[in-house]
Amino acid sequence: KQEVTQIPAALSVPEGENLVLNCSFTDSAIYNLQWFRQDPGKGLTSLLLIQSSQREQTSGRLNASLDKSSGRSTLYIAASQPGDSATYLCAVRLNTGNQFYFGTGTSLTVIP
Amino acid sequence: EAQVTQNPRYLITVTGKKLTVTCSQNMNHEYMSWYRQDPGLGLRQIYYSMNVEVTDKGDVPEGYKVSRKEKRNFPLILESPSPNQTSLYFCASSPRGAGKFYNEQFFGPGTRLTVL
Repeated sequence: KQEVTQIPAALSVPEGENLVLNCSFTDSAIYNLQWFRQDPGKGLTSLLLIQSSQREQTSGRLNASLDKSSGRSTLYIAASQPGDSATYLCAVRLNTGNQFYFGTGTSLTVIP
Repeated sequence: EAQVTQNPRYLITVTGKKLTVTCSQNMNHEYMSWYRQDPGLGLRQIYYSMNVEVTDKGDVPEGYKVSRKEKRNFPLILESPSPNQTSLYFCASSPRGAGKFYNEQFFGPGTRLTVL
């Protein structure tokens, strides 16, 4: 069974700082990996999707990288803003089966 | 507007009283799924459906049922709810096929269920 870990569980940074969120998975035979943002009491918003054949994806100030061999993905947020405060989740889908496995998330607070 | 909708958004019920949480998507997605989110455990997949009349168990299917009679709808049924099913539930959908959004999941707003 795939285990997905996100460390740290919580992170607090001053506005303007660049930061990296981590996602680790135990089974490297993944089909894709997706990063989400979740605001308190709300649903999940998709940020970036990386297929297994890709190394990274970029959207605005966000950049996600994928290293299957080491079982890791990172989400880089440039020039953080208070509006970036949320919980960030990663999810992986394996090559076999049609299930998705989520990490427990990193709660980010950007201090003005 | 492309979206996944869930109803109800909030529900308080009592042990043993059957309930259904509806999920509908207007994006013509083949794949639909139900998750529950609990503190410290993250999101765990309950059931998923690859297409109409095709459903399969996720990691935590016990105590739940689903059906997929139409492509757009994927209701979650709790035949005899128990307090350990108190949770935040999310429905999600995803397209199949090649392209930029292949397998990207889109989530509904969530249903907060309390079983007394």
